[in-house]
Amino acid sequence: GAVVSQHPSRVICKSGTSVKIECRSLDFQATTMFWYRQFPKKSLMLMATSNEGSKATYEQGVEKDKFLINHASLTLSTLTVTSAHPEDSSFYICSSQRGPENEQYFGPGTRLTVT
Amino acid sequence: ELKVEQNPLFLSMQEGKNYTIYCNYSTTSDRLYWYRQDPGKSLESLFVLLSNGAVKQEGRLMASLDTKARLSTLHITAAVHDLSATYFCAVRTSGTYKYIFGTGTRLKVLA
Repeated sequence: GAVVSQHPSRVICKSGTSVKIECRSLDFQATTMFWYRQFPKKSLMLMATSNEGSKATYEQGVEKDKFLINHASLTLSTLTVTSAHPEDSSFYICSSQRGPENEQYFGPGTRLTVT
Repeated sequence: ELKVEQNPLFLSMQEGKNYTIYCNYSTTSDRLYWYRQDPGKSLESLFVLLSNGAVKQEGRLMASLDTKARLSTLHITAAVHDLSATYFCAVRTSGTYKYIFGTGTRLKVLA
């Protein structure tokens, strides 16, 4: 099956700092990737759709200036959480869309803790 | 707005018993997925259901789809402890290919 990686798997940062999370498609090119966040014991919430070579499309209620998404190549999308606060602590999961059926393949997730 | 609801949210069952998890969604969708998530982990794909009446089985799990009722079920047969996890359904929106996840069902199988 398709492989999607995320880096780092865990990160702890201090309030006010920024942190970047990478999502890579290891064995296929993805013009579209997605970013989700998941609070403890909750469901996955779609944050944004990342489009290669163009601006990301954010879901309602997601601050685009706080969650910066860059999809600079067909195998890499990055999510930068700017000026992080403890309420940004969450599990962030990316996915890559592949193939004529436009299926999503999910990464292993990144646990962000803001102290 | 597309809503996806699962029932029950929590399920504690004895080993060897059968049970069904329900997934209701509010608008049309072109396919439905079931995933398993273990604590601290990402999603493991279980099933993709493409059309009305679709039924898929893998081991002790069987999923079905009724697009007219906008309902999918995940049936567990003779549960074992290893099935303890959180199960999510997700529907894919036509055109945009976004996935909207259900509320999740936390399953605990008691030995």
